[in-house]
Amino acid sequence: GNSVTQMEGPVTLSEEAFLTINCTYTATGYPSLFWYVQYPGEGLQLLLKATKADDKGSNKGFEATYRKETTSFHLEKGSVQVSDSAVYFCALRSVKTSYDKVIFGPGTSLSVIP
Amino acid sequence: SQTIHQWPATLVQPVGSPLSLECTVEGTSNPNLYWYRQAAGRGLQLLFYSVGIGQISSEVPQNLSASRPQDRQFILSSKKLLLSDSGFYLCAWRNTGSETQYFGPGTRLLVL
Repeated sequence: GNSVTQMEGPVTLSEEAFLTINCTYTATGYPSLFWYVQYPGEGLQLLLKATKADDKGSNKGFEATYRKETTSFHLEKGSVQVSDSAVYFCALRSVKTSYDKVIFGPGTSLSVIP
Repeated sequence: SQTIHQWPATLVQPVGSPLSLECTVEGTSNPNLYWYRQAAGRGLQLLFYSVGIGQISSEVPQNLSASRPQDRQFILSSKKLLLSDSGFYLCAWRNTGSETQYFGPGTRLLVL
């Protein structure tokens, strides 16, 4: 079945450090891939997405490239800020499922310290 | 623009009591609607989804139920809460043909 695996953390970085959060997926068909972010005490917000192979999603300095050959969608940011502290969820939506469903990874908690 | 509301924001209930959580969406018609639960330190679990009024699909058997009495209203209920029902409940919507789900602010439920 479809699934998403991501590093669970927690990840602790100093301000201005480089961030990578790994995400790999298993899916039938050609899924769309997403990164959502959840700030403390809030719901999830869409951070970026990619709908086909080699697409790069980007937003707020974050980037992720849809790699079909490695079934990956790793999240990166060149210089993190304290305000980036949150939980990050990798997710996929497969267009070939019998019904609409988004499958989320377990989330990766990020703490950025000054 | 579209907005999604959930209430209450926080709820503390005793074991065995009933539950009703409400979610409403504004600014769109006939959205797909979803209920998720996020247990402490864990990822999201899809509980229910709905593609239209009165149409509810359940992902996992559990102590909860859902209803959609109006196009943009989605309700999560329980007749008797269990301790294991504690968690953060998130409602989400998606327009047919769109790739993206949009989430509400969530309801934090603590069952004691």
